[in-house]
Amino acid sequence: DIQMTQSPSSRSASVGDRVTLTCQASQDISYYLNWYQHKPGKAPKLLIYDASNLETGVPSRFSGSGSGTDFTFTISSLQPEDVATYYCQQYDSLPPTFGPGTQVEIK
Amino acid sequence: QVQLQESGPGLVKPSGTLSLTCIVSGDSINSKNWWVWVRQPPEKGLEWIGEIYQSGTTNYNPSLKTRVNISVDTSRNQFSLKVTSVTAADTAVYYCVRKRGPRALDYWGPGTLVTVS
Repeated sequence: DIQMTQSPSSRSASVGDRVTLTCQASQDISYYLNWYQHKPGKAPKLLIYDASNLETGVPSRFSGSGSGTDFTFTISSLQPEDVATYYCQQYDSLPPTFGPGTQVEIK
Repeated sequence: QVQLQESGPGLVKPSGTLSLTCIVSGDSINSKNWWVWVRQPPEKGLEWIGEIYQSGTTNYNPSLKTRVNISVDTSRNQFSLKVTSVTAADTAVYYCVRKRGPRALDYWGPGTLVTVS
């Protein structure tokens, strides 16, 4: 299985801050990487697909980049409603695997 | 609007079988999408269980393959999950999900907690 790692495990920032999260794959996954937002008690929500494509209806403050083994997810201006855990997920090969998540909080 | 809703027992005895059904609305099971099950044990991350296509073709996580079966009922526009020989490690919130195209999990059910005890 492809192993996904995420850093940091948690991130605390102020409203309006730029927040950058990273995700690394244990082998080359091209651009087959998605990002999800997961709030407690809710279903995960797809934000970014294929590494850098913004899902329809998702605010433009969210963005993604990267290819191969190293990927970045950015919130350009953190909002209170962005408090959540963010997961990356590879879909290059079966089984699809998720990273352990990064918990984002407001300082 | 595509909606998915899981249903099934919230409590299963050890060594028993976990059975869940996902009712899909707003899309046809016969569309060109795959239908997926994902779970999240308490205080842990997300785990992909498996997926099924309208034709009945399935892919399973090797870690669960010997105990998992996913089936589809096109007449009722739903798909189902069975996990046999369950233990406490199978306690989790189970989500049914639509996979758009080859990779994106775009619509998720609200999730249902299944406790093995």
